[in-house]
Amino acid sequence: QLQLQESGPGLVKPSETLSLTCTVSGGSISSSSYYWGWIRQPPGKGLEWIANIYYGGRAYSNPSLKSRVTISVDTSKNQFSLKLSSVTAADTAVYYCARQGYYFDSWGQGTLVTVSS
Amino acid sequence: EIVMTQSPATLSVSPGERATLSCRASQSVSSNLAWYQQKPGQAPRLLIYHASTRATGIPARFSGSGSGTEFTLTISSLQSEDFAVYYCQQYNNWPPFTFGPGTKVDIK
Repeated sequence: QLQLQESGPGLVKPSETLSLTCTVSGGSISSSSYYWGWIRQPPGKGLEWIANIYYGGRAYSNPSLKSRVTISVDTSKNQFSLKLSSVTAADTAVYYCARQGYYFDSWGQGTLVTVSS
Repeated sequence: EIVMTQSPATLSVSPGERATLSCRASQSVSSNLAWYQQKPGQAPRLLIYHASTRATGIPARFSGSGSGTEFTLTISSLQSEDFAVYYCQQYNNWPPFTFGPGTKVDIK
């Protein structure tokens, strides 16, 4: 059974870079059928797609965040990672990683990242 | 960017009754639409993809319909575990993938 687990700091200071990693178990991140994505949800609000990446490295990101987003994949560790630079309080959210075949069929449990000094 | 809207924002339904949720796209997304269920403190769960195909393990009381710009999620007989927030998501024109704002189904 595929499982995804987010990890990273729960508190980030304004203007710094948020860094998260998603570890995939029970399946290979090198599957040719899927992208691997990040989605976030501010407290009490809806879902926002951030970015996704294919195991070969092809990546896409939300134009609203594009200049601040870096997404990468490490097939040797079965992990993919997100970096979001120059964070502000508006970036406070639960961050989910997910397997994506255009729609999101497997999700991590999510990790709350708070941006505060 | 395709903007997704959902109505109503909140739907109050009694257990055993039918719930009908609507999702609209700002332009045609063909049948490239998914529905998710989210309970408090949990990640979303995929219910429906390709507008009408149930995901693995999803009960038959959940059904999806529509194409183009108008879509519907129907829960035929609400069970206690179905009270949650439901989101639609388009994957026809991307990036970005976009979600609707959600419909909360609560107990009447």
